[in-house]
Amino acid sequence: NAGVTQTPKFQVLKTGQSMTLQCAQDMNHEYMSWYRQDPGMGLRLIHYSVGAGITDQGEVPNGYNVSRSTTEDFPLRLLSAAPSQTSVYFCASSYSPFSGNTIYFGEGSWLTVV
Amino acid sequence: AQSVSQHNHHVILSEAASLELGCNYSYGGTVNLFWYVQYPGQHLQLLLKYFSGDPLVKGIKGFEAEFIKSKFSFNLRKPSVQWSDTAEYFCAVTPRDTGGFKTIFGAGTRLFVKA
Repeated sequence: NAGVTQTPKFQVLKTGQSMTLQCAQDMNHEYMSWYRQDPGMGLRLIHYSVGAGITDQGEVPNGYNVSRSTTEDFPLRLLSAAPSQTSVYFCASSYSPFSGNTIYFGEGSWLTVV
Repeated sequence: AQSVSQHNHHVILSEAASLELGCNYSYGGTVNLFWYVQYPGQHLQLLLKYFSGDPLVKGIKGFEAEFIKSKFSFNLRKPSVQWSDTAEYFCAVTPRDTGGFKTIFGAGTRLFVKA
């Protein structure tokens, strides 16, 4: 039972480079989201999706793009990395959060931008 | 904007001490409430949640939380902590009347339990 799978686990980027963090879930969840975790700030929502073809912005969307072409996959793209994007990124999925369903998290992706 | 406040950023306790971690949220509508735990080197896992019904919720590993609507609070408690409870604890809130799509997390409380 894979759950939520994120890759890569660790990445170092140079300022201005682009990259994609991959996220896949095998639980047929319609809701997926990306958070970043920074010391003293908890988890902040970057983007979320309520189903294939539907995405929306969270609290801190600037500098990130997402797409949802399938139910399973929700990649996060950094178009031009900046040092301020150094963080730990978590992908999450669930059935509708409206109904109090548990959110399942991936193991995190540690990104350093130099 | 909605927000979640966790009062203590760091807590240090000895084994067998009682634990209470505070959580307050700023939102006037109906909410779902969660506590998640992140053990060192691991991802976040659900500890307990409140959706409706009895405001006293029991979770895994002896944790419980009480939803006090009038105080906009959802404090986490455990009567006797163990060394293995050392972790970071996050309170989270999902406002339901905005579609329930945005779950907001607090800044987290790092708990260290001395053996």
